[in-house]
Amino acid sequence: GENVEQHPSTLSVQEGDSAVIKCTYSDSASNYFPWYKQELGKRPQLIIDIRSNVGEKKDQRIAVTLNKTAKHFSLHITETQPEDSAVYFCAASKKGFSGGYNKLIFGAGTRLAVHP
Amino acid sequence: DVKVTQSSRYLVKRTGEKVFLECVQDMDHENMFWYRQDPGLGLRLIYFSYDVKMKEKGDIPEGYSVSREKKERFSLILESASTNQTSMYLCASSSTRDYPWRYFGPGTRLTVT
Repeated sequence: GENVEQHPSTLSVQEGDSAVIKCTYSDSASNYFPWYKQELGKRPQLIIDIRSNVGEKKDQRIAVTLNKTAKHFSLHITETQPEDSAVYFCAASKKGFSGGYNKLIFGAGTRLAVHP
Repeated sequence: DVKVTQSSRYLVKRTGEKVFLECVQDMDHENMFWYRQDPGLGLRLIYFSYDVKMKEKGDIPEGYSVSREKKERFSLILESASTNQTSMYLCASSSTRDYPWRYFGPGTRLTVT
């Protein structure tokens, strides 16, 4: 079955620096890759996603890149701010059939700390 | 705005007790999920349901059961709680018609003593 590995498990940066979190997946049929942010004591929330027909997607200070050949995707946060401090989860899924359940496999998470 | 609620934020139970965790969503989603979150292990799927009265085992179903009698409500049951079930439990829902976005509840931190 699908396996998603996420690195690093912890990441510490200075405010204003960039942060990069990387994930690899095993199932080449996976075609949808969301990222979730979980602030301390709060629920995970979707922050950005990418589908396999594009290589990069940006939303203000965050971007996600996908390399289908290498089966890895990454989250990039630029100009980090203290409020970016959270646990980030990557995930992979296959969507290709109508109806039914789309299994979503999560990475183990990265705890990002942004220091002022 | 999708709302997923869970019956308790914090719960303390004794070993051997039967524990019920309840989840309600208000978006008419077909799919509902129970995850367990432990440090360094990410979000692990316990059970999911894709329709009323339908359920499927996830990756770590041992020691748990579920019930879905109504579309909006999905319950996780610990038949006989054990200390290794101390964890954060997250409920989620999703629509079959959309990409597999997960809308999460606020979580229940369960402590079994």
